[in-house]
Amino acid sequence: GAGVSQSPSNKVTEKGKDVELRCDPISGHTALYWYRQSLGQGLEFLIYFQGNSAPDKSGLPSDRFSAERTGGSVSTLTIQRTQQEDSAVYLCASSLGSPYRYPSREQYFGPGTRLTVT
Amino acid sequence: GQNIDQPTEMTATEGAIVQINCTYQTSGFNGLFWYQQHAGEAPTFLSYNVLDGLEEKGRFSSFLSRSKGYSYLLLKELQMKDSASYLCAVREVWNNNAGNMLTFGGGTRLMVKP
Repeated sequence: GAGVSQSPSNKVTEKGKDVELRCDPISGHTALYWYRQSLGQGLEFLIYFQGNSAPDKSGLPSDRFSAERTGGSVSTLTIQRTQQEDSAVYLCASSLGSPYRYPSREQYFGPGTRLTVT
Repeated sequence: GQNIDQPTEMTATEGAIVQINCTYQTSGFNGLFWYQQHAGEAPTFLSYNVLDGLEEKGRFSSFLSRSKGYSYLLLKELQMKDSASYLCAVREVWNNNAGNMLTFGGGTRLMVKP
């Protein structure tokens, strides 16, 4: 079946502009995560959605970052007034069921969106 | 919060065995994952350990010692295609966190040479 998809695959934007990144999780996966990966670095957790519950926003680096998940499926990560330090690959992942109930279930990652802020 | 440490880079020879270590500090351990990430691609799941001991999957094995806060990923019969980054990730339970988040280490970049 289809995996996690993300769009666009690449985005170049000017400093100060807003950007929207999209994630389509695997159908039926209730958990959705956003991560950021800077060049040569590990994954930095940004935000987590589980079903209809309030999202865990504890990883968002500033109030310029926000995310929504509509209808429990597609998610959009928005970065306002982009800065050069926002340049990174933004990865989305989904997993089946709540990781609280099913901690062994792995996350499936999308191919990422490479964001470059000039 | 937690600290996860793994070597930044390792080099090994095709056909050999390599062990990638990961140490962590956490107050509410609830599992450790290893992911493989080829350059420019998404991470893919390799293994999961929650109890002490060795889990074997073909050429890959993963070991966990909870008392030592230590895991390793063992790759046998190395192939050129194993050149990738290997990410250690720890799941921690804390308070009422229903999310039960994964925290990733910085990754170990493995280069396999002929």
